[in-house]
Amino acid sequence: LAKTTQPISMDSYEGQEVNITCSHNNIATNDYITWYQQFPSQGPRFIIQGYKTKVTNEVASLFIPADRKSSTLSLPRVSLSDTAVYYCLVGVGQSGNTPLVFGKGTRLSVIA
Amino acid sequence: GAGVSQTPSNKVTEKGKYVELRCDPISGHTALYWYRQSLGQGPEFLIYFQGTGAADDSGLPNDRFFAVRPEGSVSTLKIQRTERGDSAMYLCASSLVGAREQYFGPGTRLTVT
Repeated sequence: LAKTTQPISMDSYEGQEVNITCSHNNIATNDYITWYQQFPSQGPRFIIQGYKTKVTNEVASLFIPADRKSSTLSLPRVSLSDTAVYYCLVGVGQSGNTPLVFGKGTRLSVIA
Repeated sequence: GAGVSQTPSNKVTEKGKYVELRCDPISGHTALYWYRQSLGQGPEFLIYFQGTGAADDSGLPNDRFFAVRPEGSVSTLKIQRTERGDSAMYLCASSLVGAREQYFGPGTRLTVT
């Protein structure tokens, strides 16, 4: 499974856009890129998933360059409630039902 | 609708005791996963069920850990002769067949004293 590298922590002020970049140099052809969010004392929650170019939903955008060796999760206008750990995962194939492999994630702290 | 539920939310047990952790997946989800999360770490895969059978148990750390899902719905993670190193948050997730998104429960925090 592809190994991912992402910053350990980030700080942001409320109302700013936050971009968290994840490196995954060994991504395989069948791998999708998935991001999960985890609040303290809760299980992770799916945010967004993509294969290439750009994906946007009501929560975030995911930018994936052509070589797919990295990806960037973009959170528009963060609020205090966005304080959480964000995990980048690579390796969920098209067939799904694959155990997830989590790294340590990026701890985002949003400051008023 | 109802999400994944896990009971108990907290469990404190003494070293050497036996514990059972329960997971109720989302209705209709045939895939069920158990993960373990230590403080400051991401969740670590333990076992995956497709229906009643364990499709992948490669993450179970040793033979003290066992999980069942007899009717393809509720699952129980069983830990024998607990050790202090077993203290962690145990998370359960479920998903639809072929889905790439997993839905996690709130977890059971296990503390072995």
